[in-house]
Amino acid sequence: SQTIHQWPATLVQPVGSPLSLECTVEGTSNPNLYWYRQAAGRGLQLLFYSVGIGQISSEVPQNLSASRPQDRQFILSSKKLLLSDSGFYLCAWIDGVLWETQYFGPGTRLLVL
Amino acid sequence: GQQLNQSPQSMFIQEGEDVSMNCTSSSIFNTWLWYKQDPGEGPVLLIALYKAGELTSNGRLTAQFGITRKDSFLNISASIPSDVGIYFCAGLIQGAQKLVFGQGTRLTINP
Repeated sequence: SQTIHQWPATLVQPVGSPLSLECTVEGTSNPNLYWYRQAAGRGLQLLFYSVGIGQISSEVPQNLSASRPQDRQFILSSKKLLLSDSGFYLCAWIDGVLWETQYFGPGTRLLVL
Repeated sequence: GQQLNQSPQSMFIQEGEDVSMNCTSSSIFNTWLWYKQDPGEGPVLLIALYKAGELTSNGRLTAQFGITRKDSFLNISASIPSDVGIYFCAGLIQGAQKLVFGQGTRLTINP
């Protein structure tokens, strides 16, 4: 069966510090991978998605970047965090062939102070 | 771009009541998905719909894929306290590489 992991679960970082959030998927090959951000009590904002290794599509111009160094690994990064980067970050995957269902990871709560 | 209009934005009901929420769009979707998110957790899939007119149940939950393929609804019967959370609809357009999400319906239940 497929599983999706995110770490860390929570993170408190000072403004101006770098960021690296990791997402890995098990039990599937060549998934489409997604990063979402969710403000408290709000909807899901798609940040980046990837249909393959090294392929990144950016949805919203911002202070963040994404990379996919391996088939089942998706990384969200920033060189210098802003206060507005605080939020709940969710990784998700979907089978790029079947296109039936998208599954979410447990999320990372980021607080920038 | 494509948008999903999800309503209502929030609901305050008594335990035991039935709940109904829906999503509409001007675009045609091939797949409709309904998720529930508990506080501090990732959304969990409740029901997936793949055919126009399809009516699918999962326990006390029932969802339908609209005939026009532009809408979907989710019903919850006899609500219980653990139904509290945010419910999201999502649609997939053929050929697109990403889902389109509604803004969510926050469900609060008074015991």
